[in-house]
Amino acid sequence: IAGITQAPTSQILAAGRRMTLRCTQDMRHNAMYWYRQDLGLGLRLIHYSNTAGTTGKGEVPDGYSVSRANTDDFPLTLASAVPSQTSVYFCASRVSGRASDTQYFGPGTRLTVL
Amino acid sequence: AQSVSQHNHHVILSEAASLELGCNYSYGGTVNLFWYVQYPGQHLQLLLKYFSGDPLVKGIKGFEAEFIKSKFSFNLRKPSVQWSDTAEYFCAVLNTSGTYKYIFGTGTRLKVLA
Repeated sequence: IAGITQAPTSQILAAGRRMTLRCTQDMRHNAMYWYRQDLGLGLRLIHYSNTAGTTGKGEVPDGYSVSRANTDDFPLTLASAVPSQTSVYFCASRVSGRASDTQYFGPGTRLTVL
Repeated sequence: AQSVSQHNHHVILSEAASLELGCNYSYGGTVNLFWYVQYPGQHLQLLLKYFSGDPLVKGIKGFEAEFIKSKFSFNLRKPSVQWSDTAEYFCAVLNTSGTYKYIFGTGTRLKVLA
């Protein structure tokens, strides 16, 4: 069982380029999330999806878009990357229920925008 | 709006010292509370969680946390730290009504000196 996989592991990108970060889970969790982690700011929610076919905006959604065509995949797209999007991006999925609500995190993608 | 505050941004301890990391949240409704740990170069892993019942929660690796509702706090403790506890620790709150989004604190970087 892989859990959550993210690709690429790291990427250097020129400003203005389009980039899609991939996230796949094999746990059949309904909810999935994208966070960015920045020094001194912790984890901030970019977008989320409570179930396939639905998405919602998090705390810092500007410049990012997501789609959730099926349960397993939750790609994050930067339409036109800017240097302020340099960060480490974590995808997570969530199993819900009383006493069992837990988020599981992927290994992260380190993105540098020059 | 919900928020999570972690008061200590950096903590340095010697091995065998006792640890307490503060976490306060602002939300008046029912919450689920979590502590996650991120070891160097790794993704976030669940350390412990509180849903209901005994406010003293025991997690993995000898960690525990106490939920004090009147103080809106969920402090993390360990009686005797080890060098291998060097990591970043994140407190998180899950709003159990509405959007079911997790709110993370900014994290506390713990360094344990051998």
